[in-house]
Amino acid sequence: DQQVKQNSPSLSVQEGRISILNCDYTNSMFDYFLWYKKYPAEGPTFLISISSIKDKNEDGRFTVFLNKSAKHLSLHIVPSQPGDSAVYFCATHNTDKLIFGTGTRLQVFP
Amino acid sequence: KAGVTQTPRYLIKTRGQQVTLSCSPISGHRSVSWYQQTPGQGLQFLFEYFSETQRNKGNFPGRFSGRQFSNSRSEMNVSTLELGDSALYLCASRQGLSEGYTFGSGTRLTVV
Repeated sequence: DQQVKQNSPSLSVQEGRISILNCDYTNSMFDYFLWYKKYPAEGPTFLISISSIKDKNEDGRFTVFLNKSAKHLSLHIVPSQPGDSAVYFCATHNTDKLIFGTGTRLQVFP
Repeated sequence: KAGVTQTPRYLIKTRGQQVTLSCSPISGHRSVSWYQQTPGQGLQFLFEYFSETQRNKGNFPGRFSGRQFSNSRSEMNVSTLELGDSALYLCASRQGLSEGYTFGSGTRLTVV
């Protein structure tokens, strides 16, 4: 039973536009969330995180929004670039392990 | 400094065999975690070792085991391989229990 869900397996966005990746979670006790980016044949790399005491965290082109009442978070990438094409995983850190969603494959086309 | 190193990168094994995967963490990192990535299930936690002790274990059968050595290197063993064990096995290290994780590139295991 998935505690962290990414319901869109794929997303295609034109270069320069906004990419919005969504993630839902089931447990309201989760209080720290992370986004990882993964290229083929490489391990996931940390992108950005957010604590439940905030509802937004920004780092350059990447912004994560957290809606605790809806148990939903989203990653916004503006502007999207072809190098952003990868699989994006949201995760929560719980009892000393990461619980990942199933990932969303983002493709940014020219 | 060198990242997390996993060996081998690729492996093909036959059903029923056993396999050992290796992970060398970043120098100074004392915690090593293992994850399994499959297309349908995403990344799932296997176990974490810290200072040679298993701290946490995921929901996997006893065929999956691991250990950590005094130099923090870790090995993961899967016995009596099944076709469903085909996956990318990822190792992640962190310096302390409150630090972030750095992942290796993984070992791609194919069971035929």
